[in-house]
Parts: sequence; C-alpha cells; structure tokens
Amino acid sequence: KAGVTQTPRYLIKTRGQQVTLSCSPISGHRSVSWYQQTPGQGLQFLFEYFSETQRNKGNFPGRFSGRQFSNSRSEMNVSTLELGDSALYLCASSSPDWQHSYGGYTFGSGTRLTVV
Amino acid sequence: GDSVTQMEGPVTLSEEAFLTINCTYTATGYPSLFWYVQYPGEGLQLLLKATKADDKGSNKGFEATYRKETTSFHLEKGSVQVSDSAVYFCALSEGGTYKYIFGTGTRLKVLA
Repeated sequence: KAGVTQTPRYLIKTRGQQVTLSCSPISGHRSVSWYQQTPGQGLQFLFEYFSETQRNKGNFPGRFSGRQFSNSRSEMNVSTLELGDSALYLCASSSPDWQHSYGGYTFGSGTRLTVV
Repeated sequence: GDSVTQMEGPVTLSEEAFLTINCTYTATGYPSLFWYVQYPGEGLQLLLKATKADDKGSNKGFEATYRKETTSFHLEKGSVQVSDSAVYFCALSEGGTYKYIFGTGTRLKVLA
C-alpha cells in the first residue's frame, strides 16, 4: 500500500514569504503529525491532527499552523518565513488503533524547505 | 518535562561487529519507547518498539529491552552490515499524547 506522501520534496522561498506543505497519509490513517528536523534542534513536534481537529501542539510560534481535511490529508503553513525556518519538515500518520502508544507512526520522506 | 538522551555519534564499526547505541529517558508516566532509523534523504522508519517495562522489541536483527529500573532502551545488534549505516533515533511517547519526543540521533557508519 502507498506510504505517506509529502509534496513538494524540495522548496526554496524568500524571507518574508509564506509556504504551504502537503501531506497525504496512508489510506485509513486518521492521525497526522508534523515534525521539524534541523541539525541544531533535531526533531521537534509541531502539531497533531485527528479527524480534522488539532489535538496536540508543540512549542512553535503562531506563524506555524496546520489543518486536516475530511479525507485526512493535512497541510501545514508557515507565514512570514525566517531564515531559521529552513529545515526538513516531516509528516507522519498512524492507524486508528494507535491508542496509548501501542502503534507507531509511519513517516513520509519530508519536504526540505530552504529560506533565502 | 520528558526527555530522551542518546549517546553521541558518530559510531564507526567494522562489518560484523557488535553494536550498542545507548538511550535513556526521563518521563513522568509510563511511556512507550521506540527506535527509528533514517537513511540519507529519507524519512524515519520504525525499527522496533516496546510499550511496557521488560518488553523486548526486535526487528531485522536489532533488539532493545525496556528497562524501567534504569530508564533505558539501548539498541543492540549482534553483527552489523554496511547497509545498517544510517542515523538512529530513540523516542518516547506518553500514553495518549500522540506525540514523540526524540533523542538527538546517533549516526552509525559501518565499514566493509
């Protein structure tokens, strides 16, 4: 079955612009999470959605936002881009039987965002 | 808050050597523990997991045992291959929170 699909794979934006990244989870998965990966900070949790509702949010400024659609596809948006937003953004999805961490998330290959 | 500490890398081994990557955690509750692997240019792949104390996760020759008394989840493999070269991440998830806290990752390089 198809894995988690993230688009685009690579993106170059200018400081001050905004960007939207897309994530299509594995069919049947309803939980979608987003992570930012940088060499300095490692992997940091951004937010998690389930059935179009944000259930958890990490410690990122309000410039980072997301949403989930009725088909479980998710988007994240970063407004007013800063140089420090350059990172690999990873999306992960999980099956409905993820309860109390019995399961595990399946990650996509990520979108590499470069802000210049 | 909760945290995960991994040994610093890189770890360089010869093929067929024994591998140990240390991971310790701090958590207020009873987390589940995971090892993920990331190959160059790719996302993270779940390698193994353990959901309660004394559980042993295993996959592809890798093993890790959930040790509550030492708050550890060390990754081991008896005989590494060149194809095991990657970055390994230890992670925890508190029950019901649906988010991971990751360690900083340990880069493994296996030489032929």
